[in-house]
Amino acid sequence: KQEVTQIPAALSVPEGENLVLNCSFTDSAIYNLQWFRQDPGKGLTSLLLIQSSQREQTSGRLNASLDKSSGRSTLYIAASQPGDSATYLCAHSGAGSYQLTFGKGTKLSVIP
Amino acid sequence: EAQVTQNPRYLITVTGKKLTVTCSQNMNHEYMSWYRQDPGLGLRQIYYSMNVEVTDKGDVPEGYKVSRKEKRNFPLILESPSPNQTSLYFCASRGHSNQPQHFGDGTRLSIL
Repeated sequence: KQEVTQIPAALSVPEGENLVLNCSFTDSAIYNLQWFRQDPGKGLTSLLLIQSSQREQTSGRLNASLDKSSGRSTLYIAASQPGDSATYLCAHSGAGSYQLTFGKGTKLSVIP
Repeated sequence: EAQVTQNPRYLITVTGKKLTVTCSQNMNHEYMSWYRQDPGLGLRQIYYSMNVEVTDKGDVPEGYKVSRKEKRNFPLILESPSPNQTSLYFCASRGHSNQPQHFGDGTRLSIL
């Protein structure tokens, strides 16, 4: 069964710092890897989707990378801001599967 | 505005009283899905639908039913709710398999 692990479970950083969130998965037969943001009491917002044929995707201050051979993805946030405080989840979509398997998330707090 | 709409947002009810959580999307998406989110367990898929009249079980389907009679709607039915179904529920939809999922704002169910 596919497993997705996110470490650390929580992270606190001062405003302005660059940071990296980690995601690892057990199934290398990946179709795509997605990063989401969840604010308290809200649904998930898609941030970036990396297809299996891609190595990275960028959107503004966010950059996500994918290394299928090692079963890892990272989300890099540049120049963090208090508004970035949220829980970040990664989700794995396996080849031939209609299912997304989610990690448990990393709760990020950016301190002003 | 593209969106996934869930109703109700909050519901407190009693064991055994049938309830339905509605989900509607306005993006003409073929794929829709239901998840539940529980502390320490993360997001887990309940059921998904690839198109009208095509549904399949996710990881935790016990105690739930779904139907997909129209493309835009995908209701979640709890025929005899029990306290272990107290959770935060999310509906999601997407178009092509390499497009990100769009999530509703969630429905918080409490079953006493």
